[in-house]
Amino acid sequence: DGGITQSPKYLFRKEGQNVTLSCEQNLNHDAMYWYRQDPGQGLRLIYYSQIVNDFQKGDIAEGYSVSREKKESFPLTVTSAQKNPTAFYLCASRDRRLQETQYFGPGTRLLVL
Amino acid sequence: AQTVTQSQPEMSVQEAETVTLSCTYDTSESDYYLFWYKQPPSRQMILVIRQEAYKQQNATENRFSVNFQKAAKSFSLKISDSQLGDAAMYFCAYRSAAGGATNKLIFGTGTLLAVQP
Repeated sequence: DGGITQSPKYLFRKEGQNVTLSCEQNLNHDAMYWYRQDPGQGLRLIYYSQIVNDFQKGDIAEGYSVSREKKESFPLTVTSAQKNPTAFYLCASRDRRLQETQYFGPGTRLLVL
Repeated sequence: AQTVTQSQPEMSVQEAETVTLSCTYDTSESDYYLFWYKQPPSRQMILVIRQEAYKQQNATENRFSVNFQKAAKSFSLKISDSQLGDAAMYFCAYRSAAGGATNKLIFGTGTLLAVQP
């Protein structure tokens, strides 16, 4: 089946620890995105990548880092510099042929111990 | 900067009835895309319907349709024959068609829809 997968479903982070969230897609989409969702708020863009080996900061990039070494993969690292990481993280990808629609993965819930 | 506003934090509808969710947006651009996404309790974001600003015809997908009023910057979602499975958080989103650096969806804060049996 074609789609976007995220792992793990739940992730626990200790103080001072870096953690990495996985996002993989087999839709052959060029563009990929990371969003953060907090209660009572819409999604906010963390980082995005339009092609391999290129990525751009979104609105709330501080404390996060990404890489895009392969078209299929766009992992997000939550670093110790992110002081309030507890949130729901959603990865998305986009097919330029389909009216700019972004399709989302199932998400990862990050909690701080 | 573009903004999206959903003024109804919660809505409720009886099963088989019709409900309309409101969305307004602010932009100085003339070409853009608008979307409605559904987020059920599983929290997966599911595309419901999309609209290109240059198209005057309102988009329709089965029981879901939109009322797109470009001059008023309004983009409401109508759900007909509501079903229990329609219960979810609904997000309105905007995307510029300009591309380039403005390459993101801008979301409203969502409307939580309850469907009463």
